[in-house]
Amino acid sequence: GQQLNQSPQSMFIQEGEDVSMNCTSSSIFNTWLWYKQDPGEGPVLLIALYKAGELTSNGRLTAQFGITRKDSFLNISASIPSDVGIYFCAGLGGSARQLTFGSGTQLTVLP
Amino acid sequence: GAVVSQHPSWVICKSGTSVKIECRSLDFQATTMFWYRQFPKQSLMLMATSNEGSKATYEQGVEKDKFLINHASLTLSTLTVTSAHPEDSSFYICSANPGTGPTYEQYFGPGTRLTVT
Repeated sequence: GQQLNQSPQSMFIQEGEDVSMNCTSSSIFNTWLWYKQDPGEGPVLLIALYKAGELTSNGRLTAQFGITRKDSFLNISASIPSDVGIYFCAGLGGSARQLTFGSGTQLTVLP
Repeated sequence: GAVVSQHPSWVICKSGTSVKIECRSLDFQATTMFWYRQFPKQSLMLMATSNEGSKATYEQGVEKDKFLINHASLTLSTLTVTSAHPEDSSFYICSANPGTGPTYEQYFGPGTRLTVT
């Protein structure tokens, strides 16, 4: 089946720094989604991308849908303590509505 | 908008008993809902796709007789873990797709922590 490679697996950054994480796939996706999950909670949708090359922002978050449709990145600017959590990319391909999830990036923001 | 709830948020049961978990879309109708399980420090694993008014579609390796799914209405899907065993202990999360327009965002419930003793 389709697989997503998400990196880095974990990040430790200082408050105020910018963060970047990405996902790559061997298959083409039609939609890329980025989620954040806090401990003991379900994932929360951050950004949805629908077109190759699309660049979308949501506050301090910016995500792009790669032009090849096989990758996406998420940037967080000026990180704050509440950014701590696990970030997942997810891709949707073909006519199915099933998401393929990346392995997650654990973000820790140090004061 | 697009709020999904789950009940219960956590449950402890004895080995051999059955547990039912509910997933509701609160402010939209969902013809399709999804059930995932997640082990500590791992990603979400799709278990099955729940379709309103029809049988669920299970992923390879997921026992349909053990994980019973019922999607009786456009706002409710249930997952019943039958004859639960300790290895079934996990975090179960549902998601729902509003199913309108060309987009396919999935909105997730808060999850249910199942512990089988």
